Amino acid sequence: LAKTTQPISMDSYEGQEVNITCSHNNIATNDYITWYQQFPSQGPRFIIQGYKTKVTNEVASLFIPADRKSSTLSLPRVSLSDTAVYYCLVGTDSWGKLQFGAGTQVVVTP
Amino acid sequence: EAGVVQSPRYKIIEKKQPVAFWCNPISGHNTLYWYRQNLGQGPELLIRYENEEAVDDSQLPKDRFSAERLKGVDSTLKIQPAELGDSAVYLCASSFANWTSGGGEQFFGPGTRLTVL
Repeated sequence: LAKTTQPISMDSYEGQEVNITCSHNNIATNDYITWYQQFPSQGPRFIIQGYKTKVTNEVASLFIPADRKSSTLSLPRVSLSDTAVYYCLVGTDSWGKLQFGAGTQVVVTP
Repeated sequence: EAGVVQSPRYKIIEKKQPVAFWCNPISGHNTLYWYRQNLGQGPELLIRYENEEAVDDSQLPKDRFSAERLKGVDSTLKIQPAELGDSAVYLCASSFANWTSGGGEQFFGPGTRLTVL
C-alpha cells in the first residue's frame, strides 16, 4: 500500500479556500486517491475520490497532477463547520482495504 | 435511509473483563469492516468481511479478539480479556461493492468508545 504524507494541521478563516496537499510517491498504476472527513465523536465520511486530473463534487475538488505523486484537496469558502480531520488515502488491494494515516486537522475560525 | 448502526456508543470496563460490540450495516452492503481508532490517529483496519467470510483479518489480535458475521448482515466484535491498551474507539463500516484499487465509498458508523480501567 502506498504511503501518504500530509500536513498535521492547517488553520483558516471563514470564507477562505483551504488546500490540503497529500504526497504519495509510491502510488501504483491502478490506485485511486480518496479523501475522508472526520468530525469529533463521528466516523469518517467520504468526501471525494479520483484517479487523475480533476474531480469536483458539491463539497470539494480534487486536483491530481499528471505524475500522480501528489494530490490536493480543495475546500472552497470554508465555514466553521468544516473544522475536522481530513484523511488522504491512496490505493487499496483488490479487496478494498483502506490505510488511514494521521490526517490533517483543519481549524476554521471566524 | 438508515446509516451504519453501532452499539453501545460507550463502554467502560475493568481490565480482564470481556466486552462485545455490535454493528448493523447499511441494508444491502455486502462488505463490512471493523476498525480501531486510537486517540489522535487514523482508523486501523482490524477485519473485513465479504458477506459471511472474513477475507482480511491480518490485523486482528487473535489471542483476545474475535469477530463474527452470521448470515452476512450484523456483526459482533469481541475482546476477551480486555487490556488497558484496548481503550480506543471501535468503528464499523460497510460498503456495497468490492471495488478494485479505490475502495469506493465506505460508510462508517459513529463508533463505540471503549475505556478499560
